[in-house]
Amino acid sequence: GEDVEQSLFLSVREGDSSVINCTYTDSSSTYLYWYKQEPGAGLQLLTYIFSNMDMKQDQRLTVLLNKKDKHLSLRIADTQTGDSAIYFCAEKGTNFGNEKLTFGTGTRLTIIP
Amino acid sequence: DGGITQSPKYLFRKEGQNVTLSCEQNLNHDAMYWYRQDPGQGLRLIYYSQIVNDFQKGDIAEGYSVSREKKESFPLTVTSAQKNPTAFYLCASRVAGGGTPREQFFGPGTRLTVL
Repeated sequence: GEDVEQSLFLSVREGDSSVINCTYTDSSSTYLYWYKQEPGAGLQLLTYIFSNMDMKQDQRLTVLLNKKDKHLSLRIADTQTGDSAIYFCAEKGTNFGNEKLTFGTGTRLTIIP
Repeated sequence: DGGITQSPKYLFRKEGQNVTLSCEQNLNHDAMYWYRQDPGQGLRLIYYSQIVNDFQKGDIAEGYSVSREKKESFPLTVTSAQKNPTAFYLCASRVAGGGTPREQFFGPGTRLTVL
């Protein structure tokens, strides 16, 4: 089945850029998503990218997609303490009829003052 | 306000008891999902439903049951057959068909602890 992998932890100094990486195995992925989870809460969609795009920028967020290597990254510019959270990568394949997402393990981002 | 509610936020049960987690949405979404979250394992799909009175097993359905009698409600029962039920449970919903990117919207979650 599909698999999505992320490193579990990332620490970044306040004001620096954070780069969270994700690899996936499903070559038929149509959409890839980044979700943010704050402590004890549900997931909130941050951004998404369609599989025919290489890059998407939305304010402080930049998503890069390397479809050949099946690699997705999320860059957060000027990281702030409010960015501390767990970030999940997810992919949606062409599994028509069930619309399932496959999530990665999540990367816990810690901001160092 | 439109959204997804899950209740209760914290739930404690004794081993061997069945327990039902509530999920309600007023977004008029057709599809609803239940996920289980464990530390370091991400989200794993338990059950999902695309229309009323229909649902499918996800990747870890054993020991769980669901019903979908109303569009806005998708309760999850954790049965005594679930060997390790202590976890954080998340409900999500999504509009079916058309539109992009058809994101899933998540509720705030229920933390279940089995003593």
